[in-house]
Amino acid sequence: GQQVMQIPQYQHVQEGEDFTTYCNSSTTLSNIQWYKQRPGGHPVFLIQLVKSGEVKKQKRLTFQFGEAKKNSSLHITATQTTDVGTYFCAAIIIQGAQKLVFGQGTRLTINP
Amino acid sequence: EAGVTQFPSHSVIEKGQTVTLRCDPISGHDNLYWYRRVMGKEIKFLLHFVKESKQDESGMPNNRFLAERTGGTYSTLKVQPAELEDSGVYFCASSPPPGLAGVGDTQYFGPGTRLTVL
Repeated sequence: GQQVMQIPQYQHVQEGEDFTTYCNSSTTLSNIQWYKQRPGGHPVFLIQLVKSGEVKKQKRLTFQFGEAKKNSSLHITATQTTDVGTYFCAAIIIQGAQKLVFGQGTRLTINP
Repeated sequence: EAGVTQFPSHSVIEKGQTVTLRCDPISGHDNLYWYRRVMGKEIKFLLHFVKESKQDESGMPNNRFLAERTGGTYSTLKVQPAELEDSGVYFCASSPPPGLAGVGDTQYFGPGTRLTVL
């Protein structure tokens, strides 16, 4: 079954509005990574979170890792048309393993 | 530095035919991964090479899929015979030699091969 659940599946916003996507797992995660895939493109690494409760920022993007290391979120403040794409969370489920388990992705579209 | 490259970018074949996908990882990256995204679903892990050895092939769907990485450089993924449900985008990713245990290294994805089986 699906080990990393990501919601929402789709999100449409007006340019300038905020956007948040969430990932949840029933198991404790070693780390969580976030990727962005532009339409027609491939996943591009954004960031990795490792520590419980960690918060990292990249300009308008804020990434959080839950205290229990079972959930994570990506928040974009004041979206711009360049933010369009599908955002995936991906986690290392098994300690010491390297394979990524991806969430289903959240496809973000923006009305200019 | 050149990124991960994949060939071909698109492949359209008929059911029952054979297709071979190729991935060239970033130079010096021991780890090479294959993933697949079927239309509308999540990206799923297929297998992981460390140099020429298969470290984890738990995601391979069935024995119609064969991955090789002879010499520990580029990798091929062969599907024989292809079925309709094999359609999707096949991504290859690579990462440098492992870092701290339990901490995943950044995986750099290639552009993918879009496979369509008719």
